[in-house]
Amino acid sequence: SSELTQPSSVSVSPGQTVTITCSGDILTKKLVWWFQQKPGQAPILLLYKDTERPSGIPLRFSGSRSGTTVTLTISGAQIDDEADYYCYSATDKGVFGGGTKVTVL
Amino acid sequence: QVHLVESGGGVVQPGRSLRLSCGASGFTFSYYGMHWVRQAPGKGLEWVAVVSFDGSKKFYADSVKGRFIISRDNSKNTVSLQMNNLRPDDTAVYYCRLAVILTDNAYDIWGQGTKVTVSS
Repeated sequence: SSELTQPSSVSVSPGQTVTITCSGDILTKKLVWWFQQKPGQAPILLLYKDTERPSGIPLRFSGSRSGTTVTLTISGAQIDDEADYYCYSATDKGVFGGGTKVTVL
Repeated sequence: QVHLVESGGGVVQPGRSLRLSCGASGFTFSYYGMHWVRQAPGKGLEWVAVVSFDGSKKFYADSVKGRFIISRDNSKNTVSLQMNNLRPDDTAVYYCRLAVILTDNAYDIWGQGTKVTVSS
């Protein structure tokens, strides 16, 4: 199966840590990209190759992997981190996870 | 400054066709593969198609295979999506996307999107 599974929603208090998992059979061989999307905006790349941060992405965003589950961690969540988060992977074709809505309250 | 601008969206009846275009600037267009990604109203992101840097390889999501055709014109720095036999569930904002992985960095650039509504 080429599907990627994410929790539909998580919540976190400001300053606390939240994790979002992404799992799928494809992840046996393929790496994960993470995107953040706010309402009415195009997605922004947060992490690539499971753990790598593009320039300009805050250190509080980090990634890890255990087997076929990849995790995005937001350490010290801020109000501005409230958004939808998507994992993505690809063979010849791409696939996005279903998205996780992060609420910071 | 890398810039992607989509155009061609609109309202179309089921079964009809529409062609989307994406103009690129700020980078060497002919070096990189280009993607189309869509997002239905209130839904998540769905990868649609990719074309290789030279147009020789094309891959499609199962949901559009046989109906959509991705193409590119490297002389005009454009990538297009010909959408045929449109269905109501093709209603979405369509984004073109550039994904570049370098040795120590990555860029993932998206356009602002163009809205497609399939409705009678």
